[in-house]
Amino acid sequence: DSGVTQTPKHLITATGQRVTLRCSPRSGDLSVYWYQQSLDQGLQFLIHYYNGEERAKGNILERFSAQQFPDLHSELNLSSLELGDSALYFCASSVGPISNQPQHFGDGTRLSIL
Amino acid sequence: DAKTTQPPSMDCAEGRAANLPCNHSTISGNEYVYWYRQIHSQGPQYIIHGLKNNETNEMASLIITEDRKSSTLILPHATLRDTAVYYCIVRNANAGGTSYGKLTFGQGTILTVHP
Repeated sequence: DSGVTQTPKHLITATGQRVTLRCSPRSGDLSVYWYQQSLDQGLQFLIHYYNGEERAKGNILERFSAQQFPDLHSELNLSSLELGDSALYFCASSVGPISNQPQHFGDGTRLSIL
Repeated sequence: DAKTTQPPSMDCAEGRAANLPCNHSTISGNEYVYWYRQIHSQGPQYIIHGLKNNETNEMASLIITEDRKSSTLILPHATLRDTAVYYCIVRNANAGGTSYGKLTFGQGTILTVHP
């Protein structure tokens, strides 16, 4: 158990819909990261928040957005969903963003678009 | 990020040591080497990381060459539960960059531990 909690574990929805994925970081961790894992792209970094502020962005689509709340939990919002958005979405957390602080991953949310 | 090269697959007998190599010849002086593994579709699991000295924890040992251009992850007594994809990652150390803090995952090494 990494201590990172993601909900829901599974999500099935239709094209054009909007969903929200939730992540609770490990106690004491200020950094939250989101990653997407699809069959053809592997694990891809989406976005990083530190103590409520966005710190880095990867190849995150404009239809996707995220935020980190004062209690440090984070949400990833995916809108206008397309079939290609079907993937595993992982959240990770770390004490902070510097290089020698490991990220610990949750068990992910499996998103299926029908 | 420094690029890493790993063999696509390896086999290991249960109870033997598994030695997983990684090349990172373009690594810069302040970048750490990280190892993660992923079992089936579970979340990646942190194993170990190091800068230039060898490191050991309860899961594994990390041996980094003196020139830092390659490293080896050692699982001393592999079990069937160690079958997974193992990722060697060089961590971006650029404090101000747009990819600050991210981990770049490659294809990894599929380690199969057999009885």
